[in-house]
Amino acid sequence: GQQVMQIPQYQHVQEGEDFTTYCNSSTTLSNIQWYKQRPGGHPVFLIQLVKSGEVKKQKRLTFQFGEAKKNSSLHITATQTTDVGTYFCAGHSGGGADGLTFGKGTHLIIQP
Amino acid sequence: GAVVSQHPSRVICKSGTSVKIECRSLDFQATTMFWYRQFPKQSLMLMATSNEGSKATYEQGVEKDKFLINHASLTLSTLTVTSAHPEDSSFYICSASVPTGGWYEAFFGQGTRLTVV
Repeated sequence: GQQVMQIPQYQHVQEGEDFTTYCNSSTTLSNIQWYKQRPGGHPVFLIQLVKSGEVKKQKRLTFQFGEAKKNSSLHITATQTTDVGTYFCAGHSGGGADGLTFGKGTHLIIQP
Repeated sequence: GAVVSQHPSRVICKSGTSVKIECRSLDFQATTMFWYRQFPKQSLMLMATSNEGSKATYEQGVEKDKFLINHASLTLSTLTVTSAHPEDSSFYICSASVPTGGWYEAFFGQGTRLTVV
């Protein structure tokens, strides 16, 4: 079945440093979504990427979808303490109405 | 955005008992809902797809007799963990996908933390 790998598993950064998490799928994805989960909370949708090579920005967050639609990345510029949490990528290989396959997530720890 | 409500948020039960978790779509109808399981510091694993008016579809390795899913209406899906054991202790999360401009956005419930003692 479809597998979604995500690295790194943990990332410690000093506040103000940049952060990047990478996601790779074993199969071509119809789209990829990114979620953020705060400790004790539930995943919250951040963004979806659909097109090959797509790049989207949300303030300090930059999301990329690879040309082959098998990999993606999330980059945060100048991290803040509010960025703490676990970032998951999740993919659909089908039309999008099926359940998501999640990466293992990257736990972002920020040291003030 | 759409709201998915999950209840209870926390439950502690004795080994051997059954626990029911409810997942409701509050402001939209969901013919399909999804149930995920998340162990501490791990990812979400899709357990099953709940289909309104028909049988749920379970992922490989998930015992359908252990995790009973009922989706009797367009706004409610329930997951019952039967004869719970300590290894069933986990965070269970439901979601529903809403068609949005040609694709689907998933909205998650708040999750249920189950502890079996």
